[in-house]
Amino acid sequence: DSGVTQTPKHLITATGQRVTLRCSPRSGDLSVYWYQQSLDQGLQFLIQYYNGEERAKGNILERFSAQQFPDLHSELNLSSLELGDSALYFCASSQVAGGEEKLFFGSGTQLSVL
Amino acid sequence: AQTVTQSQPEMSVQEAETVTLSCTYDTSENNYYLFWYKQPPSRQMILVIRQEAYKQQNATENRFSVNFQKAAKSFSLKISDSQLGDTAMYFCAFMRGFGNEKLTFGTGTRLTIIP
Repeated sequence: DSGVTQTPKHLITATGQRVTLRCSPRSGDLSVYWYQQSLDQGLQFLIQYYNGEERAKGNILERFSAQQFPDLHSELNLSSLELGDSALYFCASSQVAGGEEKLFFGSGTQLSVL
Repeated sequence: AQTVTQSQPEMSVQEAETVTLSCTYDTSENNYYLFWYKQPPSRQMILVIRQEAYKQQNATENRFSVNFQKAAKSFSLKISDSQLGDTAMYFCAFMRGFGNEKLTFGTGTRLTIIP
């Protein structure tokens, strides 16, 4: 168990809908990262938050948004869903640990858009 | 931008043998970290081993070791005495700087351990 909790584990929805994925980082970790894993795109970095502030943005679509709350949990919102958004969405967390940097991943949310 | 290349989409090896997975990367950074992650059929991403670029000594974790060649920008993973539980996708990943940065992943190598 990595200590990073993602809910739900599975999500089935229809095109055009909106969903929210939730992530609780490891205790003490200030950074949260979101990744998308699909067959055609591989593991793609979406966005990073550090202590509530957006720190880095990757290949995140405009239909997607995220935020990190004061308790450090994060949510990834996906709207106007398309078939191609079907993927495994990972959350990871880390803390600035001066030479011991590691990212710990949650078990992912499998999103199926039908 | 950093890129990570894994040129072996699939590999297989007999149980108890040694296998080496290749990874090359491209960066203009001087300070960075390199990682190998394992993704078994459960799809959990599990950290196998990490290497700091400023350390010349190759990292080892039990049966797992790396061959880090900074000048060649090469970072291979050696698995000794392979076990059935090693069957998984293996991803090489790059993190620039001294931490708190995103990971850039390679496309992965699917490793199958044959009984």
